[in-house]
Amino acid sequence: DAGITQSPRHKVTETGTPVTLRCHQTENHRYMYWYRQDPGHGLRLIHYSYGVKDTDKGEVSDGYSVSRSKTEDFLLTLESATSSQTSVYFCAISESIFSAGPKNIQYFGAGTRLSVL
Amino acid sequence: DAKTTQPPSMDCAEGRAANLPCNHSTISGNEYVYWYRQIHSQGPQYIIHGLKNNETNEMASLIITEDRKSSTLILPHATLRDTAVYYCIVRAPPNTGNQFYFGTGTSLTVIP
Repeated sequence: DAGITQSPRHKVTETGTPVTLRCHQTENHRYMYWYRQDPGHGLRLIHYSYGVKDTDKGEVSDGYSVSRSKTEDFLLTLESATSSQTSVYFCAISESIFSAGPKNIQYFGAGTRLSVL
Repeated sequence: DAKTTQPPSMDCAEGRAANLPCNHSTISGNEYVYWYRQIHSQGPQYIIHGLKNNETNEMASLIITEDRKSSTLILPHATLRDTAVYYCIVRAPPNTGNQFYFGTGTSLTVIP
């Protein structure tokens, strides 16, 4: 998985509790992404980061926040988890987003399966 | 942003070539076509990408039509381990929040 570690791999939590998912990379790539995957929707971008402390919203950012204090770590936080946030969450990394071609390839982690009861 | 259209499912006999089509009729001149696959419960895996010319690597070949409105991913000798969902993606322009649009892809089943 291209030096990407997601933790935890599985989590069950209750509605209203805060949850933080961690993505750790060893590739020193500048760009990091959080996606969620749900049946019938494919992968949808939640947030992405283009550097330390630099983040931006994706397609489905409501209810999520992110932080990146170090190049290698990108955290996704659900401040108050809801059942609609039950999903599989994937982290991805890439060298660039502005150049087309090889440096724009995204490499994905193994995913975190989150259940909100 | 260019979107893609893929058949929802396909079957292929083990050992035969798997040809997965993708339509991207609104692709613009500087947009690349990327292919990924996702084996059940795993993260998506990069396969290949191209702009205009046909491309080949150790995993697959990519054939892009001359007008670039469609492409075909070819797995030359499909194995059971190639059973997966295959995504054809056209890279969105820079400065947008959505760098890749992953649709629902093609579910390929390789049959023994």
